[in-house]
Amino acid sequence: NAGVMQNPRHLVRRRGQEARLRCSPMKGHSHVYWYRQLPEEGLKFMVYLQKENIIDESGMPKERFSAEFPKEGPSILRIQQVVRGDSAAYFCASSQTYRGGEQYFGPGTRLTVT
Amino acid sequence: QKEVEQNSGPLSVPEGAIASLNCTYSDRGSQSFFWYRQYSGKSPELIMSIYSNGDKEDGRFTAQLNKASQYVSLLIRDSQPSDSATYLCAVNVSQGGSEKLVFGKGTKLTVNP
Repeated sequence: NAGVMQNPRHLVRRRGQEARLRCSPMKGHSHVYWYRQLPEEGLKFMVYLQKENIIDESGMPKERFSAEFPKEGPSILRIQQVVRGDSAAYFCASSQTYRGGEQYFGPGTRLTVT
Repeated sequence: QKEVEQNSGPLSVPEGAIASLNCTYSDRGSQSFFWYRQYSGKSPELIMSIYSNGDKEDGRFTAQLNKASQYVSLLIRDSQPSDSATYLCAVNVSQGGSEKLVFGKGTKLTVNP
């Protein structure tokens, strides 16, 4: 009964490079959420996706960030031209139902920009 | 801006005591409330969900919800050193066909042996 899977667990990028973070939801879950946790700060919502649809990207910076959840394969959070301020833990969560369903988190990807 | 407020702590209790964690939220329309535990360097782990006013018990954990006061709490009975972690209160906010969790900044709990 696999939980939410994320990879890589740790990612180091130089300024200006691209970062790709992947998330596979729990089996039977069709709702995927991405959150970011900056050092010493709380978890912040970034984007909510269902298969082939972005439902809400209001928490995602307008520039350089994008997300997708294709019909086949994992959800991808892409950060282009990374800057030091992008260094954070990025967590993916999934839920089975809409309307207040419990969200289960993956282990996260810790991005370090040098 | 929907907000969730928690006492940042740190909260320190002796082993075997009751730890009480509190949370208030601003969105009157919220219907789903969650407590997550996060160990240092790890991901949030769901420990309690509550949807109705009153108490909900699960083992040593009791969640309490008062929608009129916009208040959620978590009680941990017979606290153990392994309960030492940051506890995150999360409120589900539904808006315009979307929904998301809004988190408090967390309360760091230390249980002393």
